[in-house]
Amino acid sequence: QVQLVQSGAEVKKPGASVKVSCKAAGYTFSSYGITWVRQAPGQGPEWMGWINPYNGVTYYAQKFQVRATMTTDTSTSTAYMELTGLTSDDTAIYYCVREGSSGPHIYFQYWGQGTLVTVSS
Amino acid sequence: DIQMTQSPSSLSASVGDRVTITCRASQNISSHLNWYQYKPGKAPKILIYGAATLQSGVPSRFSGSGSGTDFTLTVNSLQPEDFATYYCQQSYSTHKTFGQGTKLEMK
Repeated sequence: QVQLVQSGAEVKKPGASVKVSCKAAGYTFSSYGITWVRQAPGQGPEWMGWINPYNGVTYYAQKFQVRATMTTDTSTSTAYMELTGLTSDDTAIYYCVREGSSGPHIYFQYWGQGTLVTVSS
Repeated sequence: DIQMTQSPSSLSASVGDRVTITCRASQNISSHLNWYQYKPGKAPKILIYGAATLQSGVPSRFSGSGSGTDFTLTVNSLQPEDFATYYCQQSYSTHKTFGQGTKLEMK
């Protein structure tokens, strides 16, 4: 079955960077895009961006265009999301997601377990 | 970006009640609307996609409707396991925005 297993919780100081990994199993990694979503305390989920593992094409939400970098390693079926210039506003649970689809409809079907990133001095 | 507005932000109900949550998009998104259930410590779970199609394995007491800009999620005969937070999401655009959520609490 499809599984997305993320790296463990991180505590970072303001200004630092964090890199979260997401190892996929149970499907052909290069056949589906990986989306990154984060959820800050008390807030709704926030779409950060998407990467196509087949060709490396990425789309980022405008607010993350400068600070986020999404990459993949097809040899290990792993996706990565690096976020630089961390502030306390970046404290959140970060999820990797694989989409499902039915006809024209796309939805977030498979989610990693989430990685808590805490930014604190 | 397409903005998604949910109401109410919280809702108190009892087991056996019928509840309805609404979601409004800032522009026409046709039927590209998904609903998720979120429980603390767990990843969100897809309930409904395409505004009205129940994901496999989701109980039939959940239903969705709407198109264009206005959508609803209805839960008939609430069960104890349904008390959670619900989010709508538009999948019309590449930037797939979510609503702010509706927390369904036990009365």
